[in-house]
Order: sequence, then C-alpha cells, then structure tokens
Amino acid sequence: DIVMTQSPATLSVSPGERATLSCRASQSISNNLAWYQQKPGQAPRLLIYGTSTRATGIPARFSGSGSGTEFTLTISSLQSEDFAVYYCQQYNDWPPLTFGGGTKVEIK
Amino acid sequence: EVQLLESGGGLVQPGGSLRLSCAASGFTFSNYAMSWVRQAPGRGLEWVSVISGSSPSTYYADSVKGRFTISRDNSNNTLYLQMDSLRVDDTAVYYCATRVGGYWFPFDHWGQGTLVTVSS
Repeated sequence: DIVMTQSPATLSVSPGERATLSCRASQSISNNLAWYQQKPGQAPRLLIYGTSTRATGIPARFSGSGSGTEFTLTISSLQSEDFAVYYCQQYNDWPPLTFGGGTKVEIK
Repeated sequence: EVQLLESGGGLVQPGGSLRLSCAASGFTFSNYAMSWVRQAPGRGLEWVSVISGSSPSTYYADSVKGRFTISRDNSNNTLYLQMDSLRVDDTAVYYCATRVGGYWFPFDHWGQGTLVTVSS
C-alpha cells in the first residue's frame, strides 16, 4: 500500500499570510494526487486534483504542485474561511486509495 | 444539483450488523462509480470500498474485506454498505462519495455522513 505522509501536523498562520502544506508518497504516484479541505462537522471538499488542477469553484489562492513523491498545497493569502484540516489523497495505485493524516491550519 | 444523502447509521453491539444507504440525485447514477469513506472520531479519512457503475466490480480496504459488502440499485439510485461482524474500531462517520463527470477518483461530491457507533 502507498503511505501518504503530511507535514506539518499543525500549521499556525496569521490571516493574509501564505501557507505551505506538504504531502509525501511512499512511492511514485505520478500526478494522481488530490487535496481536500474539511471543516468541523462537515464533509471533505475537493480542492485540487491531478496535483495542480483546481476543482470547480475553488479560489485561485489555492494552488498545488509537485510530482512523483513530493507534493505541495499552497494557500497564497489565508482568509478566515481557510482555517480547516487539509488532506492529501493518492489515486494512482489502488486498492486501497490512501489519504494522508491531515494538516490542521489554525489561526496564529 | 448533485445530492448524496446517507442513512442507516446508529448504535450497534460488537459482532452486530448494520446496512447503510446513500440516496443519490442530480446525476445519472448508473454511469458513475460510488465509494464509501469513513472517519473515526477525531481521526483522518479512510477509504472503505468502491463499486463501479454497471456490471459492478467491487473493491475493499483490507480492514473491512470479508465483513462489509458494497452494492447498488441503479433503478432506485441508491448505494448500500452492508456491515457485518462489526468491531469497536468500525466506529466512524461513514460518507458516500463519487466523482461525477470523470474517472472514478478523486471525489468531487460527498454526502453529509452517517454515524455508526459500535459499543456494548
């Protein structure tokens, strides 16, 4: 199984600042990497797929990059509604589909 | 508008059974693979199972293989998850999820989830 490792576990950022979240795969997953945002009590929401393609309705301040085993989600200027938990997911080699453990973005 | 509505969660004793349902609307249900994803309290996301759109193929996480069965009724636009031999560590919110308009993954639509609690 492909293990997805996210870092850091918690990221403290001030509104308006840039946030950079990392995701590492235990083996190459090409560009088959997605990012989700989850707020308390809500279902996850797809932000990015194919490493760098924004899903419908996702603001341009969210961007994804990387390839192979190293991936990054960048939020260019954090808004109040962006404080949440973010998960990466690989869908290159399945079953099983696998998620990272999540990064919580909190207000500094 | 795509809508996914789960139901069937509740409290069950270890070793018991439960069947979850996910009612789908707003898209041609039979054309798309459907998945179950779960989230234990305070924990991350875990993929459980996926079923293809028609002439269904099914796949499972090792943690549920042999105990859970995914199925679908395309005439009623409904996805199911039959959960048998439930264990305490199956306690989680269970989401149905799908990708409409593309390959099976990733998931661009999710239900609101249904809570399954396995406890004596």
